[in-house]
Amino acid sequence: GQNIDQPTEMTATEGAIVQINCTYQTSGFNGLFWYQQHAGEAPTFLSYNVLDGLEEKGRFSSFLSRSKGYSYLLLKELQMKDSASYLCAVRDEETGANNLFFGTGTRLTVIP
Amino acid sequence: NAGVTQTPKFRVLKTGQSMTLLCAQDMNHEYMYWYRQDPGMGLRLIHYSVGEGTTAKGEVPDGYNVSRLKKQNFLLGLESAAPSQTSVYFCASSPHILAKNIQYFGAGTRLSVL
Repeated sequence: GQNIDQPTEMTATEGAIVQINCTYQTSGFNGLFWYQQHAGEAPTFLSYNVLDGLEEKGRFSSFLSRSKGYSYLLLKELQMKDSASYLCAVRDEETGANNLFFGTGTRLTVIP
Repeated sequence: NAGVTQTPKFRVLKTGQSMTLLCAQDMNHEYMYWYRQDPGMGLRLIHYSVGEGTTAKGEVPDGYNVSRLKKQNFLLGLESAAPSQTSVYFCASSPHILAKNIQYFGAGTRLSVL
């Protein structure tokens, strides 16, 4: 089975840096994804890690340690529009379509 | 640039009624998925399809049926709706190539069963 944990809520200040952690346990790990979801909208893809290390994409970076079952999403220079839920998802190669299993999401509130 | 389109966007049903949710994608993706999202539960996979004419069960398939008669469409059916099926339903699609296996989501269908 799969078990994915991430904090329920976080608050950070505009212009600051915030790190959202995700820990996972899965039998057939084959990649970790981060999605952003604004209230009432669809999830949108942010980043993908399959190997250990840091992936950087503009203000967003994602880190993976497979041996520790741990990932984080780092958001720099926070903007008010970054207020959203951030979903951690692991891909399981033991399922028929390399299915994703999602955590419950971390709701980030950016304050002025 | 439509991507993944879901219809309807909102629906209210009475217990026992049936309905079909339609998902259409124009990206020529092989894989398609139906999820439900409930408060505090995250996205949970209902059914998925790896190609035209094939479907498979996900984590929470009970009470739902699906069909994929055409590559671009994936239908989710509720034969006899129950209040426990009140949720937001998302459809997603992805290419089958592992390195590009990013899922793209539709805008969602908000369903209330009274």
